[in-house]
Amino acid sequence: EIVLTQSPGTLSLSPGERATLSCRASQSVSSSYLAWYQQKPGQAPRLLIYGASSRATGIPDRFSGSGSGTDFTLTISRLEPEDFAVYYCQQYGSSPRWTFGQGTKVEIK
Amino acid sequence: QVTLRESGPALVKPTQTLTLTCTFSGFSLSTSGMCVSWIRQPPGKALEWLARIDWDDDKYYSTSLKTRLTISKDTSKNQVVLTMTNMDPVDTATYYCARGPTMVRGVITTPFDYWGQGTLVTVSS
Repeated sequence: EIVLTQSPGTLSLSPGERATLSCRASQSVSSSYLAWYQQKPGQAPRLLIYGASSRATGIPDRFSGSGSGTDFTLTISRLEPEDFAVYYCQQYGSSPRWTFGQGTKVEIK
Repeated sequence: QVTLRESGPALVKPTQTLTLTCTFSGFSLSTSGMCVSWIRQPPGKALEWLARIDWDDDKYYSTSLKTRLTISKDTSKNQVVLTMTNMDPVDTATYYCARGPTMVRGVITTPFDYWGQGTLVTVSS
């Protein structure tokens, strides 16, 4: 089973700043099957990025994903007030036994 | 418009069996490449994938929970059912169903693109 480690645990930033979130896998993620989700309190997760770098439908272009192999990054170019939330990475590679990271909370500084 | 909704008991006792139903609309589980998964999230903790059922009735389970889980579908009712046996307080969580993955010719195109709002299940005597 692939273990995903997200860092940092909490990111304290101000609106307008750039956020860089990391997700490291314990082994290579096949075909860049890496996704990012945003979750706000009391809500279900929302798909932001799939295939490591493709934005899901309706996701603003301030969200971007990059990386391959074992190291992946989610970047939010300029934080909007609605972007403060918890972000999870997920691998959905060849094994159907998929895993999520433990999450990074982006909070208002 | 794709929607999913989870239903089931809010409270179960230890050792009991939990049965959750996911009722969905906007897609069909008889369509090639369609799948539905269950994911859970203990309060304040991370997401955990539990099980998945595919359009062709293939089923997959979390390695750590596979002996306790059963997933099934009723295509005519647009429902997917998850049962989990021998419930324990550590199974207290919000349980989500989600559409995904979607596949084209065996290649995954998207993971979980639509989610239900989740249902909180508390395990307590």
